[in-house]
Amino acid sequence: GESVGLHLPTLSVQEGDNSIINCAYSNSASDYFIWYKQESGKGPQFIIDIRSNMDKRQGQRVTVLLNKTVKHLSLQIAATQPGDSAVYFCAENLSGGGADGLTFGKGTHLIIQP
Amino acid sequence: DAGVIQSPRHEVTEMGQEVTLRCKPISGHNSLFWYRQTMMRGLELLIYFNNNVPIDDSGMPEDRFSAKMPNASFSTLKIQPSEPRDSAVYFCVSRRGSGTEAFFGQGTRLTVV
Repeated sequence: GESVGLHLPTLSVQEGDNSIINCAYSNSASDYFIWYKQESGKGPQFIIDIRSNMDKRQGQRVTVLLNKTVKHLSLQIAATQPGDSAVYFCAENLSGGGADGLTFGKGTHLIIQP
Repeated sequence: DAGVIQSPRHEVTEMGQEVTLRCKPISGHNSLFWYRQTMMRGLELLIYFNNNVPIDDSGMPEDRFSAKMPNASFSTLKIQPSEPRDSAVYFCVSRRGSGTEAFFGQGTRLTVV
């Protein structure tokens, strides 16, 4: 029978261009957020994080923006390279109390076109 | 640091058999999580431990699944009996504490035939 899986959003970008990956999170009380990159056959790898008392944080070629008003997170990758091709996940965390697990979004598949 | 270490990397087993997945978290990390990843459901939290104590196991699918953390450097996830729908990649994740970066292991790809 036909298998049905998650239909991951796909973003196709030309090599050298900037890319923006978006994520909507669910819990307005979440106070810590992480972006992960997962390459085929590997576990997710940490890219960058941000706490809820900030609205922007920059790393090397990456910037995370947080809009708490609309519960939106974005990851900007500058000057994309072939090695940036992967699935990108956002994760939200509510610190303290009993709910300490990271909740992940469904992911976005980033494809870098040569 | 070697990171989070999981074993085995791949496991193929017959339906009905017992499967044990193992994890060694990063030294000094107080929290450990087991996640399952499938095409259908994405990344799902199964259970997490804080200071070796299970805190939330509401994500464990059913009684066939059990997890233990006998000490700070070792955890197991057991499936007994295994079923084909358990086929997935199982990740162990550790972190120093709440609100800190979480590190994934390389995962165990389980196939139940």
